[in-house]
Amino acid sequence: GAGVSQSPSNKVTEKGKDVELRCDPISGHTALYWYRQSLGQGLEFLIYFQGNSAPDKSGLPSDRFSAERTGGSVSTLTIQRTQQEDSAVYLCASSLYTGEGYEQYFGPGTRLTVT
Amino acid sequence: KQEVTQIPAALSVPEGENLVLNCSFTDSAIYNLQWFRQDPGKGLTSLLLIQSSQREQTSGRLNASLDKSSGRSTLYIAASQPGDSATYLCAAPLKAAGNKLTFGGGTRVLVKP
Repeated sequence: GAGVSQSPSNKVTEKGKDVELRCDPISGHTALYWYRQSLGQGLEFLIYFQGNSAPDKSGLPSDRFSAERTGGSVSTLTIQRTQQEDSAVYLCASSLYTGEGYEQYFGPGTRLTVT
Repeated sequence: KQEVTQIPAALSVPEGENLVLNCSFTDSAIYNLQWFRQDPGKGLTSLLLIQSSQREQTSGRLNASLDKSSGRSTLYIAASQPGDSATYLCAAPLKAAGNKLTFGGGTRVLVKP
């Protein structure tokens, strides 16, 4: 079946512009996660959504970052007034549930470059 | 600090040799541990998920063990092939991180033909 998809695959933007990154999780997966992978920082958690519960935003690095998930499916990560340090690969993952033992499946990522 | 560590950061072996990748974690009460593979410029592919109640999981040439008491997991890849060249990451949901997945820094593997 279809896996997690993300768009765009690559995004180059100028410093100060806003960007939106999209994630389509696996159908039926109730949990959706956003991570960021940058050189020297490894892979870090940003935010996760579980069903209709309030999202866990504890990993968002600043208030320029926000995310929403519409209809329990597609999610959009928005970065406002982008900075060069925002350059990274943004990965989305989904799982059937966030409870014990549920495997996370990752999308191919969006490579963001802020010039 | 609760964390996940992978040593070495890079590994090079000749084709046919068995690969042994190490992962250590500081939380002995983890729910599970997951091993991923990442090819350059690509996302993560899940290889194996070991539940807390299990000691190992096998898939083809891959075998992963889990020892919670010592805080270690090992990924074995038998009879390595050049196509196994990639970065391998382990990740576990640590309590101190609210049970969100915490990733190791990865081990970059090169299998030389």
